[in-house]
Amino acid sequence: DGGITQSPKYLFRKEGQNVTLSCEQNLNHDAMYWYRQDPGQGLRLIYYSQIVNDFQKGDIAEGYSVSREKKESFPLTVTSAQKNPTAFYLCASSIFSASGTRGYTQYFGPGTRLTVL
Amino acid sequence: AQTVTQSQPEMSVQEAETVTLSCTYDTSESNYYLFWYKQPPSRQMILVIRQEAYKQQNATENRFSVNFQKAAKSFSLKISDSQLGDTAMYFCAFMKGNYNNNDMRFGAGTRLTVKP
Repeated sequence: DGGITQSPKYLFRKEGQNVTLSCEQNLNHDAMYWYRQDPGQGLRLIYYSQIVNDFQKGDIAEGYSVSREKKESFPLTVTSAQKNPTAFYLCASSIFSASGTRGYTQYFGPGTRLTVL
Repeated sequence: AQTVTQSQPEMSVQEAETVTLSCTYDTSESNYYLFWYKQPPSRQMILVIRQEAYKQQNATENRFSVNFQKAAKSFSLKISDSQLGDTAMYFCAFMKGNYNNNDMRFGAGTRLTVKP
């Protein structure tokens, strides 16, 4: 089965800790994304990556870091510099072109709920 | 910057009836893509429908269809024969058709409840 997996499903962080959220895809998609969702709100872009070893900041990148060493993987680290990290985090991937009926369409993983204790 | 507005925070509909969710967007681009995503209580974002701006024909997917009015910058979603499983948050999203910008913008969402 092709898809996007995120782990863990639930994550608890103590004040001052860095934590890393995993995102893996086997869809052979070029682009990957991280979004943050707060209660009652839409999604806000944290980081995205169009190719391996390259990534760009989104609207709310402060306090977060990413890496893209493999096409299939795009982990997100929530650092202690992120002042209010409690949120739901969604990873997505897409074909990085307009080709066909699925071009540019983003497909999402099941999400990680992060809570700061 | 592109913005997406969903003016209906909550809606409800009786099972088997039809409901329309509104979405407007603001852009100066001519080439772009529009999407509706569904987020059920499981919180997984599921693609409902996709529309390419250069196509005049409205997209349809089974019971889901859109009314795309490019000049008015409007992209509403119609759900026919509503089912209990359609209960979810629905998000409208916009993306430029630009190789160098893969940034998707989301509206704040509409919470739809289908009543038995």
